[in-house]
Amino acid sequence: GAVVSQHPSRVICKSGTSVKIECRSLDFQATTMFWYRQFPKKSLMLMATSNEGSKATYEQGVEKDKFLINHASLTLSTLTVTSAHPEDSSFYICSAPSPGLAGGSSYNEQFFGPGTRLTVL
Amino acid sequence: GENVEQHPSTLSVQEGDSAVIKCTYSDSASNYFPWYKQELGKRPQLIIDIRSNVGEKKDQRIAVTLNKTAKHFSLHITETQPEDSAVYFCAASRQAGTALIFGKGTTLSVSS
Repeated sequence: GAVVSQHPSRVICKSGTSVKIECRSLDFQATTMFWYRQFPKKSLMLMATSNEGSKATYEQGVEKDKFLINHASLTLSTLTVTSAHPEDSSFYICSAPSPGLAGGSSYNEQFFGPGTRLTVL
Repeated sequence: GENVEQHPSTLSVQEGDSAVIKCTYSDSASNYFPWYKQELGKRPQLIIDIRSNVGEKKDQRIAVTLNKTAKHFSLHITETQPEDSAVYFCAASRQAGTALIFGKGTTLSVSS
């Protein structure tokens, strides 16, 4: 199946610093990617939709100036957590829908990256 | 926007029993309903999905049913095994490939 990678897998940073997380689709092109945040023992919460060639679409309550998203190419989206604080500590996961098979639906399932564990001290 | 409710939050069964997890959604425009299994610290893995033009889908021990009129869908796992123990999430979206809205998750424990 399609593969989505994320880097780094875990990062520890000091409060006030910025952290960049990369999401790559390795064997397919993704004009759209999605960023989710998951707190311990909680569900995945959609943060934003990353669109190649245009601005990201943020969900209500997500600060676009704090969580900067750049869809640099058809295989790469980045999420930058700016001026990170301890409450930003979480598991950040991206996903990308792979194009469907010929004759089927336009898109097949969504493939998730392995996630990035962010800890802000 | 879409809101997905999931029950129960925890479910404990004996090996070999069946497990049922139920979800409801609010957006009548939702047409794609996947189920994911997530192990601790890992990415969600798709286990089965259903589109709105189908009422039921089965894959070996796993089945999903959908009632569009009532806006609810359910996951059925038969002959449970200890390796089925994990957190299961339902989700809904307008169509496959668009943003997913997840339920809160169900922690399934299968004891041998």
